[in-house]
Order: sequence, then C-alpha cells, then structure tokens
Amino acid sequence: KAGVTQTPRYLIKTRGQQVTLSCSPISGHRSVSWYQQTPGQGLQFLFEYFSETQRNKGNFPGRFSGRQFSNSRSEMNVSTLELGDSALYLCASSLGENTGELFFGEGSRLTVL
Amino acid sequence: DQQVKQNSPSLSVQEGRISILNCDYTNSMFDYFLWYKKYPAEGPTFLISISSIKDKNEDGRFTVFLNKSAKHLSLHIVPSQPGDSAVYFCAANSNSGYALNFGKGTSLLVTP
Repeated sequence: KAGVTQTPRYLIKTRGQQVTLSCSPISGHRSVSWYQQTPGQGLQFLFEYFSETQRNKGNFPGRFSGRQFSNSRSEMNVSTLELGDSALYLCASSLGENTGELFFGEGSRLTVL
Repeated sequence: DQQVKQNSPSLSVQEGRISILNCDYTNSMFDYFLWYKKYPAEGPTFLISISSIKDKNEDGRFTVFLNKSAKHLSLHIVPSQPGDSAVYFCAANSNSGYALNFGKGTSLLVTP
C-alpha cells in the first residue's frame, strides 16, 4: 500500500512569491491534514479536510489556504511568502475518525529567501 | 500558547536500559494522547496511543502512562535499542478538534 506522497520535496522561493504544495493520501483515506514544522515551534496544525470540507483550521494567517479534491488529494497554498514561512510542511492522512492516528508524508521543505 | 510541553529537548540512554520520555499538557479537554517517532528526512510515524479513560497502554517494548490528575504522560522504552534513536513527539487530541497538538519533541540517543 503506497504511503502519503508529497510534492515537491524541496523548493526555494523568494519573499512575496506564492507556493503550492501537493499531497496524495493513502488510498481509502478521506481525511488530509497539514502541519508546519519549524525548529522553534515544533509541529503546528494548519488545517484538516474531510471529503472536500475543511473541518478545522489552526491559527495561521489567511495567506495560508488549502483545498481537497474529490479524489482526496489535497493542496495547500501560501501567498505573499515571508522569511518566517521557511519550514517543513507535513501532510498526513487518515480514515477520518478523530483518534489522531495520522500517517505522515515525508514533507515538503520550503526555503524562503 | 503551547498546550503540550516536552521539557527535555534531548535524552541520552545506554542500550539495554530504560528510556523515559515525559510530556505535560494544560488543556483538560484533551482526551486522546499519542506518541510519534521521527527520523531525519522522514515524516513522523505513529508509535502508541492512550485514551483518557485508561492509565496505561503497552505495545511490545513501548508503554505509555497517563496521569490525568497531574496532566502528565510518559513513554517508557524497555529495553532501549540504538534504532530507537530519533525525535519523539507527544501529541494530544480533543474529541471535537480533528487536530493534533504536538509538543516540540525530545531527541533520544541510544548509545551502544
């Protein structure tokens, strides 16, 4: 069974640009969550989608947005990039029950210059 | 505001000994707790979990203990092996959140 796939794995952007990250969940999983990992803050919840609906959103500015498609694939977008957005962005999928047993991808490493 | 805290950034243990990783939380609404392990350049992987209605859960070499009154949980690894060297994240979930609150992690090094 294929795991969670995130693309791209690494990318470099400059301040003010925007970026779109993609996540393909494990087959059969309908929930996709996104987390930001930085050295100082650990893993912080961005948002969670289930069957194309956002069920929860973390405390991030509106520059961070996401969506989920009918095939459960998800994308997140960050507009007007800032230096502080440099981080590892992790996608996780699950069946959707609220037990927290998430399956994570390897992440997309974003560097903002 | 960090609702899940792992106060030890790092821990070093000899192979064969017990590793004890600690975690504290502040939100009394949390009712499900998990531990994740993360190797460099990989995503976190689920290790073990415990519901708030229990005080102990065991899975092989890994045991998680929950003390609700103290809002404290711990992960015991016995015996520790060099392959256990990784960053361990404590996480907590409430039944209405669909979101995990993570601690900042504890880096465990198991030396031969």
